[in-house]
Amino acid sequence: EPEVTQTPSHQVTQMGQEVILRCVPISNHLYFYWYRQILGQKVEFLVSFYNNEISEKSEIFDDQFSVERPDGSNFTLKIRSTKLEDSAMYFCASSSLTSGLQETQYFGPGTRLLVL
Amino acid sequence: AQSVTQLGSHVSVSEGALVLLRCNYSSSVPPYLFWYVQYPNQGLQLLLKYTSAATLVKGINGFEAEFKKSETSFHLTKPSAHMSDAAEYFCAVTHADTGRRALTFGSGTRLQVQP
Repeated sequence: EPEVTQTPSHQVTQMGQEVILRCVPISNHLYFYWYRQILGQKVEFLVSFYNNEISEKSEIFDDQFSVERPDGSNFTLKIRSTKLEDSAMYFCASSSLTSGLQETQYFGPGTRLLVL
Repeated sequence: AQSVTQLGSHVSVSEGALVLLRCNYSSSVPPYLFWYVQYPNQGLQLLLKYTSAATLVKGINGFEAEFKKSETSFHLTKPSAHMSDAAEYFCAVTHADTGRRALTFGSGTRLQVQP
């Protein structure tokens, strides 16, 4: 069964450093998402991406964050200058277009980011 | 804005007992509702979703949920808990009122199954 994959599974970085989290969505999906879950808190939406541009973003997704689909398979989340409060589990998800808002979002296993 | 509330951050049941995980939504228009499960060290997996086709929705692993508009609820149930059901369960909603695809999640309920 096709699945969303994410790399790395864990990343430790120093405050102020740039990190890039990588995702390979399901191959025939056209909508891509990033969510995060700070330890002990809710899963929160960051951004969605369709047709090579951001379609929605939350207040969390400020200028420190960017997303890119550099080739036909990868979808990346970049954090330019990490802060302690960026420590969280980051989930990538993808969905197809066929059913609109009903469409299931398929999640990857997550990248646990720790900022020291 | 649409939101979901999950009552009970932790629920403990005995193996073989009924599982009931509660989810209430607030929405000005009929929402699309989802239940996801997260097993330890894994991503979120869809259990089931409500898309207005039927109020009683059956999902994977013997779970089902009933959409009750009068109670603004979408509680998740399973008649008989199994040890393998121990996980965290999240209720989520998409924003049918604004057309936004972003999922809004509840705070999650951790299910513990006692032998």
